[in-house]
Amino acid sequence: SQQGEEDPQALSIQEGENATMNCSYKTSINNLQWYRQNSGRGLVHLILIRSNEREKHSGRLRVTLDTSKKSSSLLITASRAADTASYFCATDARGSQGNLIFGKGTKLSVKP
Amino acid sequence: NAGVTQTPKFQVLKTGQSMTLQCAQDMNHNSMYWYRQDPGMGLRLIYYSASEGTTDKGEVPNGYNVSRLNKREFSLRLESAAPSQTSVYFCASSEGLLSETQYFGPGTRLLVL
Repeated sequence: SQQGEEDPQALSIQEGENATMNCSYKTSINNLQWYRQNSGRGLVHLILIRSNEREKHSGRLRVTLDTSKKSSSLLITASRAADTASYFCATDARGSQGNLIFGKGTKLSVKP
Repeated sequence: NAGVTQTPKFQVLKTGQSMTLQCAQDMNHNSMYWYRQDPGMGLRLIYYSASEGTTDKGEVPNGYNVSRLNKREFSLRLESAAPSQTSVYFCASSEGLLSETQYFGPGTRLLVL
């Protein structure tokens, strides 16, 4: 069962542009995380936002959370070719015993 | 620190063969997880171990067994491999079950013919 759904499925931009990815989920959460996966590699944690937070920053990353709409967005500013990867949201849904439930991901391609 | 390591990196099996995927972490984490990732899909949880000595089923446990050998090691066993088990398998760990960040290994690519 998928809790989070990312949108769009794929995104292609030029280096220097901003990239925005969205995640929608179905049930109440404790927190929401974003992970990055480079091709052929494992997932790497990027940022976590708790259910009582609305916005969080980490370097060029900005995450927002709207619990009333059950949605989150990940903004990567001034993108670089090295940002090319798949990005997944994961929710720690209440009642899931702390397990993360991952979405299907957004595949980001940043062209030099 | 190596983080989370997995062996093997690649494996080809024939239908009906068995194998064990190994995972180890050196971060003194209590909780460990096994996921599978299929093309165009997110990760799906197979089994997890909240702490040494405990294991629980995840979303897709059928056809798999696990062993939490000690705090460091968590293995996944396919007793009789099926083509539907062709996938990339990821092991992950976290400080505790309700701790937020999970750390992932590099994955094992498994092809079942």
